[in-house]
Amino acid sequence: DAKTTQPPSMDCAEGRAANLPCNHSTISGNEYVYWYRQIHSQGPQYIIHGLKNNETNEMASLIITEDRKSSTLILPHATLRDTAVYYCIVRVDPNQAGTALIFGKGTTLSVSS
Amino acid sequence: NAGVTQTPKFQVLKTGQSMTLQCAQDMNHNSMYWYRQDPGMGLRLIYYSASEGTTDKGEVPNGYNVSRLNKREFSLRLESAAPSQTSVYFCASSEGVWMNTEAFFGQGTRLTVV
Repeated sequence: DAKTTQPPSMDCAEGRAANLPCNHSTISGNEYVYWYRQIHSQGPQYIIHGLKNNETNEMASLIITEDRKSSTLILPHATLRDTAVYYCIVRVDPNQAGTALIFGKGTTLSVSS
Repeated sequence: NAGVTQTPKFQVLKTGQSMTLQCAQDMNHNSMYWYRQDPGMGLRLIYYSASEGTTDKGEVPNGYNVSRLNKREFSLRLESAAPSQTSVYFCASSEGVWMNTEAFFGQGTRLTVV
């Protein structure tokens, strides 16, 4: 399984862009990069996912390096409500048994005013 | 649209007692999952069901059993609860586990075993 490495914590000022990095150097060619977040003790919430190209939706942008060994989640204008744990997940090869989203410990993003 | 609904939200059990955590989704999803989350930890997959009628073990299946009752419902059973099973349990569903699709999570069941 491809593994991900994220910093345990990051701080961001309200209104500024939050850039959350993720390393996935063992990613395979057919594996997607997913981002979820968990606010307080709620269930995780899907943010965005991508394979090779950069992706953008109403919540965030995902920048994937050309070699696909790392990616960055960008929250363009962070608010206090974006304070959460952010999980970067590499989708396990669907041809392997026991596949599903495998979560690590994530990055705790703290947004302050 | 309720999404993924878990019951109960809170439960306290004595060691050795049994109980079933219920999960239902109304999005007509094929795949459903059970995760547990311990304090300060990420989520760990217990069991999942790729489609109605199938179940498979995840990372930490010991001490648990599951039933995919129908397409909507996926239950998790603790036959003989242990303090090590004190955790927050999350159920999730997605259109397909073999497809790269978004997963939706319930709000969790907070279980304490004393």
